[in-house]
Amino acid sequence: GQQLNQSPQSMFIQEGEDVSMNCTSSSIFNTWLWYKQDPGEGPVLLIALYKAGELTSNGRLTAQFGITRKDSFLNISASIPSDVGIYFCAGQGAGGTSYGKLTFGQGTILTVHP
Amino acid sequence: NAGVTQTPKFRILKIGQSMTLQCTQDMNHNYMYWYRQDPGMGLKLIYYSVGAGITDKGEVPNGYNVSRSTTEDFPLRLELAAPSQTSVYFCASSQSGTSEYEQYFGPGTRLTVT
Repeated sequence: GQQLNQSPQSMFIQEGEDVSMNCTSSSIFNTWLWYKQDPGEGPVLLIALYKAGELTSNGRLTAQFGITRKDSFLNISASIPSDVGIYFCAGQGAGGTSYGKLTFGQGTILTVHP
Repeated sequence: NAGVTQTPKFRILKIGQSMTLQCTQDMNHNYMYWYRQDPGMGLKLIYYSVGAGITDKGEVPNGYNVSRSTTEDFPLRLELAAPSQTSVYFCASSQSGTSEYEQYFGPGTRLTVT
């Protein structure tokens, strides 16, 4: 089946620093999404991307749909303590009928030191 | 709107016991999903449903059953619980159409089988 590889697996940064993480696949994806999971909660959608090359922002977050359709990137600017959590990429692979089904990466654990 | 609600929040089961995890959504979404989340493994799809009376297997369906008698409810049944089913379970929903990949998640059920 399709797999998504997320990197890095974890990050420890100082408050105020910028953060970058990415997600790659060996196969083409038609849709990319980024979710954040706070401790003890369910994932919450941050950004959805639908076109190759698309760059979308949500406050201090910016995500890009890679031009090859095999990767996506998430950047967080000027991190704050409440950015702590697990960030997941998710995607819908090309081909077939998907009924909204997603493939998820394994997550990037972000720790922000005040 | 309460969104997606799940009960119980925590549960401890003995090996061989059975239980039902409840999931309800009040957004009138026709697509619903069950995932399990193991540490460092991301989210794996167990079962999904595209509407009342229609369900299908996901990536890891063994040991689980589902039903969908109404649009709102999508319970997950564990028969003969095993230690390998210790995990955090998330229910999600989405609306078919242009935003069908934008899934909304419940807060999760943390299950321990001993």
